[in-house]
Amino acid sequence: GAVVSQHPSRVICKSGTSVKIECRSLDFQATTMFWYRQFPKQSLMLMATSNEGSKATYEQGVEKDKFLINHASLTLSTLTVTSAHPEDSSFYICSARTRPGGKGYTFGSGTRLTVV
Amino acid sequence: DAKTTQPTSMDCAEGRAANLPCNHSTISGNEYVYWYRQIHSQGPQYIIHGLKNNETNEMASLIITEDRKSSTLILPHATLRDTAVYYCIAPNTGNQFYFGTGTSLTVIP
Repeated sequence: GAVVSQHPSRVICKSGTSVKIECRSLDFQATTMFWYRQFPKQSLMLMATSNEGSKATYEQGVEKDKFLINHASLTLSTLTVTSAHPEDSSFYICSARTRPGGKGYTFGSGTRLTVV
Repeated sequence: DAKTTQPTSMDCAEGRAANLPCNHSTISGNEYVYWYRQIHSQGPQYIIHGLKNNETNEMASLIITEDRKSSTLILPHATLRDTAVYYCIAPNTGNQFYFGTGTSLTVIP
């Protein structure tokens, strides 16, 4: 149980375009989801906390107008990278909290974004 | 989050036990310790978690010191597929997971 599906797994886009990444909890409801970014040979960096039905909370230094997060249902959160640039190329990973005190968080398989 | 400190890298012979330490000296009384691992270009995978008592599951054992300031993840019989980066995390009451640098474990044939 507790599967998080992330789509697409890989995407290449042109500089200046926008890209949407979906994160779905398949067999549980997730009121809270999290978005991370990971550059090569670095650890995961938390970008934002996505709350169903309310605005996302962004970590310091993350541009909320560039990384739009929508959590419109209990099973879906989306991250849209707007006006993407080559420096936005990274591995984006979402996670969802299963239940308090339980197995923590389940992570998606990640999305490799390449901006050319 | 309680700050966690882990060795940057470790090697382990295939078939031997891998013991991965984590220091979390600032952990508070109600903060769990979670262990995840990440194999290259994949999302992190849950391994085990604990609060005070030692824990064991089909993947690993978690030994937490009595003062809860450190813990050790034990992979009893390491295989090549256990080569990964292992993260020890103690989330805060807000429950965000902040990842440290982790330990890069290499299992050697």
